[in-house]
Amino acid sequence: AQSVTQPDIHITVSEGASLELRCNYSYGATPYLFWYVQSPGQGLQLLLKYFSGDTLVQGIKGFEAEFKRSQSSFNLRKPSVHWSDAAEYFCAVGARGSQGNLIFGKGTKLSVKP
Amino acid sequence: NAGVTQTPKFRVLKTGQSMTLLCAQDMNHEYMYWYRQDPGMGLRLIHYSVGEGTTAKGEVPDGYNVSRLKKQNFLLGLESAAPSQTSVYFCATQPRGPTYEQYFGPGTRLTVT
Repeated sequence: AQSVTQPDIHITVSEGASLELRCNYSYGATPYLFWYVQSPGQGLQLLLKYFSGDTLVQGIKGFEAEFKRSQSSFNLRKPSVHWSDAAEYFCAVGARGSQGNLIFGKGTKLSVKP
Repeated sequence: NAGVTQTPKFRVLKTGQSMTLLCAQDMNHEYMYWYRQDPGMGLRLIHYSVGEGTTAKGEVPDGYNVSRLKKQNFLLGLESAAPSQTSVYFCATQPRGPTYEQYFGPGTRLTVT
């Protein structure tokens, strides 16, 4: 069965420091992979996606993610975190051949220290 | 364009009461979804629709019903609310494809006492 694991429930980083949020997936074939961000009291917003091709994908707000098939991972990175990046981040996988359904991880909450 | 809107934003129900949550979209998207979000659980799919007049069960459909009579609206019904249905409910849409890119509404916070 497909699944998505985000090992870190809560991460705190200092403003200006680099960030890496981890995501591991379980799926038999190459999946479609996504990162969403949820600011407090808001809905989810798509940050970036991977379908095929270049394994390093760029997203909005200066985020990037790298697909590593050998590690079944799709980690999210940002070189310099801003206070406005404090939010909850969700990794998701879409099953090819399904009707567009996504399976979400449980999320990682990011706090940013001044 | 309003995008994806949800009505109401907040609601408190007593156990056994019924209510309907409305999701409306002006993006002409074919697919629509209802999720619930609970602390530490991520988002779980309740029901979804791939077109007007069609619905299907997701991961956690029990206690909920849905209807998609018009393409732009997707209704989620609770016939007899239970405290376990206290949650934040999100609607999402997706263009035909499937593209897997989902666009979310702002959510409805429901408390069942």
